[in-house]
Amino acid sequence: DAGVTQSPTHLIKTRGQHVTLRCSPISGHKSVSWYQQVLGQGPQFIFQYYEKEERGRGNFPDRFSARQFPNYSSELNVNALLLGDSALYLCASSPILGVGNTIYFGEGSWLTVV
Amino acid sequence: AQTVTQSQPEMSVQEAETVTLSCTYDTSESDYYLFWYKQPPSRQMILVIRQEAYKQQNATENRFSVNFQKAAKSFSLKISDSQLGDAAMYFCAYRIPSGTYKYIFGTGTRLKVLA
Repeated sequence: DAGVTQSPTHLIKTRGQHVTLRCSPISGHKSVSWYQQVLGQGPQFIFQYYEKEERGRGNFPDRFSARQFPNYSSELNVNALLLGDSALYLCASSPILGVGNTIYFGEGSWLTVV
Repeated sequence: AQTVTQSQPEMSVQEAETVTLSCTYDTSESDYYLFWYKQPPSRQMILVIRQEAYKQQNATENRFSVNFQKAAKSFSLKISDSQLGDAAMYFCAYRIPSGTYKYIFGTGTRLKVLA
């Protein structure tokens, strides 16, 4: 079975532009979470979606938004890009919204803002 | 607010030897989960081991084991018989047992394995 897949793997954007990152969860997984990992740091929680509804949000500005589609895939959108948005963006999926479940990460999308 | 601290930016171990990575955390919750994740150069975060706070027994997965000290809020990872493939960034993470999968990660420890 395919794992969590993310696209694109690498991209370069200019300050002020908009970016859309995509994530396909493991088949059968209904929850998707997004994390930002700045170089030299651990991942930071951005959003969680379950059954197409936002279930959690981290301390990120409104320039960051996300959505989940009926097939449980997800998009992360970032508007008005800043240099500080340069990071690895990780998507993770899990089967259901349960206390004991483990999340499975994709390989990430590396965003460079110039 | 919950925090996770990894005080060792980098560790080295000889192949076949044992190494311990440290992690401390701060929380006012009584029930939670703790994790160690491995991030190789491929960047994919891979779960190494998980510990539920209500369990007194330390978790073990093959060559990986933890020393969970709840009162001290300490959660160290021991890697036995280190292999070259163990070289990676290791992240300690915390999560409360709610529906939100908000993991709080430490800053990571880079493990080098010397042949």
